[in-house]
Amino acid sequence: AQSVTQLDSHVSVSEGTPVLLRCNYSSSYSPSLFWYVQHPNKGLQLLLKYTSAATLVKGINGFEAEFKKSETSFHLTKPSAHMSDAAEYFCVVSDTNRNDMRFGAGTRLTVKP
Amino acid sequence: GAGVSQSPSNKVTEKGKDVELRCDPISGHTALYWYRQRLGQGLEFLIYFQGNSAPDKSGLPSDRFSAERTGESVSTLTIQRTQQEDSAVYLCASSLEQGKGEQYFGPGTRLTVT
Repeated sequence: AQSVTQLDSHVSVSEGTPVLLRCNYSSSYSPSLFWYVQHPNKGLQLLLKYTSAATLVKGINGFEAEFKKSETSFHLTKPSAHMSDAAEYFCVVSDTNRNDMRFGAGTRLTVKP
Repeated sequence: GAGVSQSPSNKVTEKGKDVELRCDPISGHTALYWYRQRLGQGLEFLIYFQGNSAPDKSGLPSDRFSAERTGESVSTLTIQRTQQEDSAVYLCASSLEQGKGEQYFGPGTRLTVT
C-alpha cells in the first residue's frame, strides 16, 4: 500500500524568502510522485511530477522537487516566494501500473508581504 | 480547449435527499476519477473509470454512493439519502491513460447537507 505524509499542515514565509514544503512517501512499488497546487476556489493544478527519470524535477512557477529514495522524500522548494504562491499544496504518490493515487493531507502556504 | 467541468458548483440539500453531481471530462481522456475533499483534508479517492472496463469502486464509502459513465464522456456521481457527513467538495479529474498519473481536475462541487 502507498501513503504520503506532508509534514507541515501550514507554512508561512515572507515574500522573497525560500519555500520548503516537506513530503515523505511510502510505496511498495517504484512510485511516481507529484505536487499539485490548489488556489482558493480554483481547481487542482499539476506543479511537477517525478516518473523515474531525473531525480531533480523542475515545475511551473519556479518550483522544483528532488526525489530522494534513501530518505523516501520528495520535498518541494522555491528560491523566492511570491504573494501569488499562497495556496494549498498536495503531495501525491502513485503506482503507474495501477490505479492507486494517494494524496497527502495538504500544506497551506501563506506568504507575508 | 475546455478543461474538466463540473456542475453544479454548489449544492445545498436536506438530510435524506438524493443528489446527483455531474462531470464533463476533457475530450479524448479515457480515464475519469471522482474524489472527495472534506474541509481541511486531502483528497479521498472514490471511484475510477477507464474506457469500457469495469469501474474501480474500491473508494466508495458506502452503498449510498454510486457513479456512472457513458462511454468516455460524462459521468454522474449519485449520493442517496444524504447525511451531514457527506458535506464536502467533490472533485472530478480526467487523464489520457490509466496510471500515467497526470490528472486534470475540475473546479469541484461543494455539497452541503443541512
